[in-house]
Amino acid sequence: AQSVTQLGSHVSVSEGALVLLRCNYSSSVPPYLFWYVQYPNQGLQLLLKYTSAATLVKGINGFEAEFKKSETSFHLTKPSAHMSDAAEYFCALFGNEKLTFGTGTRLTIIP
Amino acid sequence: DAGITQSPRHKVTETGTPVTLRCHQTENHRYMYWYRQDPGHGLRLIHYSYGVKDTDKGEVSDGYSVSRSKTEDFLLTLESATSSQTSVYFCAISDVVAGGREQFFGPGTRLTVL
Repeated sequence: AQSVTQLGSHVSVSEGALVLLRCNYSSSVPPYLFWYVQYPNQGLQLLLKYTSAATLVKGINGFEAEFKKSETSFHLTKPSAHMSDAAEYFCALFGNEKLTFGTGTRLTIIP
Repeated sequence: DAGITQSPRHKVTETGTPVTLRCHQTENHRYMYWYRQDPGHGLRLIHYSYGVKDTDKGEVSDGYSVSRSKTEDFLLTLESATSSQTSVYFCAISDVVAGGREQFFGPGTRLTVL
């Protein structure tokens, strides 16, 4: 069975500070991994995806994520937080024809 | 943005009534999904379709049925709505591409069962 764990349901960072959102996965096959962002009252938007081509993946809005097989992790980072980054972020794993989502991390930006 | 619409966007209904939610796509994607989103649970898969008239259950399928009679439409039906089905429902689509199938999401339907 596959699973995704997001550590920290709420994360607060100051504007301009580093953003780090954690995601660990469990999969019996090489994973395809995704990060999605959800702004209030909207659907989910794809931030970035890992498809085994490169371990460091760059996405939209200055976000990037690094796939670490030895740690079964796919943490999301952004060097400098902006107020517009306030949203909920979901890590997801594709396998067996389905996406399995983590429970989400709500990111708050402190002015 | 992927061409996905959901209708209705908001609905309030009473316990025991039937409810149908519609997902419509203009992308001609093969796969369509229905999820529900609840606080603390993320998104959970209800049902999905891998082609016209081809559907399968997800992890929270009890109390829900689906139908797909044409590529562009995927219907989710609550035969007899219960308060536990109060949630936000999202439709998603994807297609067969290399490197895993990213999904594109609709705007959601907020359903309240009184």
